[in-house]
Amino acid sequence: GAVVSQHPSRVICKSGTSVKIECRSLDFQATTMFWYRQFPKQSLMLMATSNEGSKATYEQGVEKDKFLINHASLTLSTLTVTSAHPEDSSFYICSAPFPGPNSDTQYFGPGTRLTVL
Amino acid sequence: SQQGEEDPQALSIQEGENATMNCSYKTSINNLQWYRQNSGRGLVHLILIRSNEREKHSGRLRVTLDTSKKSSSLLITASRAADTASYFCALNSGNTPLVFGKGTRLSVIA
Repeated sequence: GAVVSQHPSRVICKSGTSVKIECRSLDFQATTMFWYRQFPKQSLMLMATSNEGSKATYEQGVEKDKFLINHASLTLSTLTVTSAHPEDSSFYICSAPFPGPNSDTQYFGPGTRLTVL
Repeated sequence: SQQGEEDPQALSIQEGENATMNCSYKTSINNLQWYRQNSGRGLVHLILIRSNEREKHSGRLRVTLDTSKKSSSLLITASRAADTASYFCALNSGNTPLVFGKGTRLSVIA
């Protein structure tokens, strides 16, 4: 089946640093990818929609200047958490819908756990 | 809110018993999906049920969908300790991202 990978799987950083998370669709092209954030014992909340060749669409309350998204190619989207603070510590998950007009399937990456000290 | 609401929030059962989780929602959907998440891990897609379907089975899983009541249920039969996880329903309303419910934390005690 289709696979979506994320890198890194875990990152620990100091407050004030920037962290880049990569999301790759390994065997299919994804013009759209979604970034979710999950705090402990809570649900996944959509942060933004990453669009290849155009600007990302951010959900209400998500700062676009803090969470920079770049959909560099049809198989790669990156999320950069700029000037990270402890409250940004969370589990970040990306997903990509499988291409096709009748596809209802989204494939999720394994997630990246960010800990900001 | 487009978010699904799972019920119960937490469920603890003995191994071998059946576990039932419910999901209610308010919007129209194309399909509803159930996912499992082990603690601190990624999501595992369990089953997808379309809006014109009423029931689907997959192994020990049984999902029902009642679009008139805007609700779905996930039944896990003959539960095992390995079924311990959080279970989420996710709503698909077309070419849009999935919207996840708050989840049910299932504990299966051996």
